[in-house]
Amino acid sequence: NAGVTQTPKFRVLKTGQSMTLLCAQDMNHEYMYWYRQDPGMGLRLIHYSVGEGTTAKGEVPDGYNVSRLKKQNFLLGLESAAPSQTSVYFCASSRRTGAIPDTQYFGPGTRLTVL
Amino acid sequence: AQSVAQPEDQVNVAEGNPLTVKCTYSVSGNPYLFWYVQYPNRGLQFLLKYITGDNLVKGSYGFEAEFNKSQTSFHLKKPSALVSDSALYFCAVRDDRGSTLGRLYFGRGTQLTVWP
Repeated sequence: NAGVTQTPKFRVLKTGQSMTLLCAQDMNHEYMYWYRQDPGMGLRLIHYSVGEGTTAKGEVPDGYNVSRLKKQNFLLGLESAAPSQTSVYFCASSRRTGAIPDTQYFGPGTRLTVL
Repeated sequence: AQSVAQPEDQVNVAEGNPLTVKCTYSVSGNPYLFWYVQYPNRGLQFLLKYITGDNLVKGSYGFEAEFNKSQTSFHLKKPSALVSDSALYFCAVRDDRGSTLGRLYFGRGTQLTVWP
């Protein structure tokens, strides 16, 4: 049981390049989330998903796209990277207890630098 | 709107002394509150949560938190701090309204340093 895993752990991009961050969970959780963490700002929600095939915007969605084709995977895409997207990205997942999601469990993070 | 405030960016305490990391919240309805800890270059680890019931919640690694509805606070506490408790601590509140179901609102974090 690996929990929540993220690929890659580190990445350096040039402005305008694209990339996809992969999040995988083996806990059969319904809900999945992508956050970014910047110094002094805590975690901010980018996008989230309440189930396979569904996604929704969070607090800071601009410049990002997501897909949830399989229940266990949640992909975060940057189509044209900008220096403002330099950050640490965390994926999280949670199960649904009735109509309310339970505690969120986090992956180890991806450190992205955009030059 | 839901929000969380952690009024202290840093807390310093000597090993063996009690520690408190403060958190206040603002919600429209009933609060669901969480504490997470982040060690350097690691993801967030769940410590404890308050959903309903007893105002004193016990969690991992000897931590506990006290929910105070009148003061809208959820302070994290530990009776005797360890050097290994040094980390970044985040308080979060959950929004259970339909449009953003399950979304967590995080505070900015408090860096705890425990001196030997």
